[in-house]
Amino acid sequence: SYVLTQPPSVSVAPGQTARITCGGNNIGSKSVNWYQQKPGQAPVLVVYDDSDRPSGIPERFSGSNSGNTATLTISRVEAGDEADYYCHVWDSGSDHWVFGGGTTLTVL
Amino acid sequence: QVQLVESGGGVVQPGRSLRLSCEASGFTFSSFGMHWVRQTPGKGLEWVAAISYDGSEKYYADSVEGRFTISRDNSKNTLYLQLNSLRTADTAVYHCAKRLLEWSHALDPWGQGTLVAVSS
Repeated sequence: SYVLTQPPSVSVAPGQTARITCGGNNIGSKSVNWYQQKPGQAPVLVVYDDSDRPSGIPERFSGSNSGNTATLTISRVEAGDEADYYCHVWDSGSDHWVFGGGTTLTVL
Repeated sequence: QVQLVESGGGVVQPGRSLRLSCEASGFTFSSFGMHWVRQTPGKGLEWVAAISYDGSEKYYADSVEGRFTISRDNSKNTLYLQLNSLRTADTAVYHCAKRLLEWSHALDPWGQGTLVAVSS
């Protein structure tokens, strides 16, 4: 089955840029979605289809995808961005949907 | 306003069954594929099952195949997940989620979830 690998944690100072990676075999050929989840809340979609943003999501959130790595970039990080972030793809080979293990973003 | 509200969770013994429901509002339910995703307390997200807009296509994670059944009633705007032969490893918060767009596999929004605890 298809596997997505994320770093367990990323730390960044306020105002800096956070980059959260999601690794997978030839992930560049798939469409990657990213979700933000704060404690006690349901996940919220922040980027879909590699780089599109749902309405209401700040432009500070952006995504890219190439080769074996997809990246969620959060510019000008704020304290309110502290959360768990998950990448997500559909694997056409198995008709299964897959989530990465999640990355905890800490704002220092 | 799109809203998804899950119900039906609870404490159940191993080997028993449970049926979860997800009531949808604020959108044309019969036009969108739907998913169930679970989250073990303190851990990550695990995709469980998906169903097409008309119920004709169903997909399951290997961990639940043959034990769980996803279904929907478009006349009631409701999604279901029948959980049979429950195991302690099935303990989790179960979220329902709407497919964002017809051509995208992204999920948005998600319900708050309902807790299933399997324990003897």
